[in-house]
Amino acid sequence: ETGVTQTPRHLVMGMTNKKSLKCEQHLGHNAMYWYKQSAKKPLELMFVYNFKEQTENNSVPSRFSPECPNSSHLFLHLHTLQPEDSALYLCASSQRGSTSGRTSNEQFFGPGTRLTVL
Amino acid sequence: KQEVTQIPAALSVPEGENLVLNCSFTDSAIYNLQWFRQDPGKGLTSLLLIQSSQREQTSGRLNASLDKSSGRSTLYIAASQPGDSATYLCAALTLNSGNTPLVFGKGTRLSVIA
Repeated sequence: ETGVTQTPRHLVMGMTNKKSLKCEQHLGHNAMYWYKQSAKKPLELMFVYNFKEQTENNSVPSRFSPECPNSSHLFLHLHTLQPEDSALYLCASSQRGSTSGRTSNEQFFGPGTRLTVL
Repeated sequence: KQEVTQIPAALSVPEGENLVLNCSFTDSAIYNLQWFRQDPGKGLTSLLLIQSSQREQTSGRLNASLDKSSGRSTLYIAASQPGDSATYLCAALTLNSGNTPLVFGKGTRLSVIA
């Protein structure tokens, strides 16, 4: 496997279910991200992990719980979701360095998980 | 707070035409600007990345330019093909102490008609 992979690709869940989304990057990057893409809205950054430490939580409700056990894996645990949480959830990774350094900070995205909450 | 705008929201052109997609950003203190392609229901594919010190980048039929002072970037597609039909997103990586979020525009939905 190369690049950024996400599983499952599609998920349908009820509001009382608990499920997890998984992301794995094979690029040797040190930062990983969760984004949400809803219809007719720009991509919204949800969480950032830099060297396995969460560095940003973009005012995301607690029913979304991220986990980053190592620099290659990122999970998004879902619990008691609402129908309005239905969206495409995208994972990305990058090699973050200082802004004066030589790393490009280019982000590479996975194929996404299409989530439908009934 | 960085805001990224893309115009037009949708564009339909006949095959073979050259076209320009526009992206503007409000905060010129960017580290880089990235152009992505997204096919319906799919993830994002990175097309071009322009560092803040660069003026343009080229890949095949694609050319992206960056003018930081005016807060604009353009994506030029030469000799468009039906396979170019997709949504094109631009995103600015903004200089910030600590976190450096990538801020996206809403995208331009391109249809190339055979």
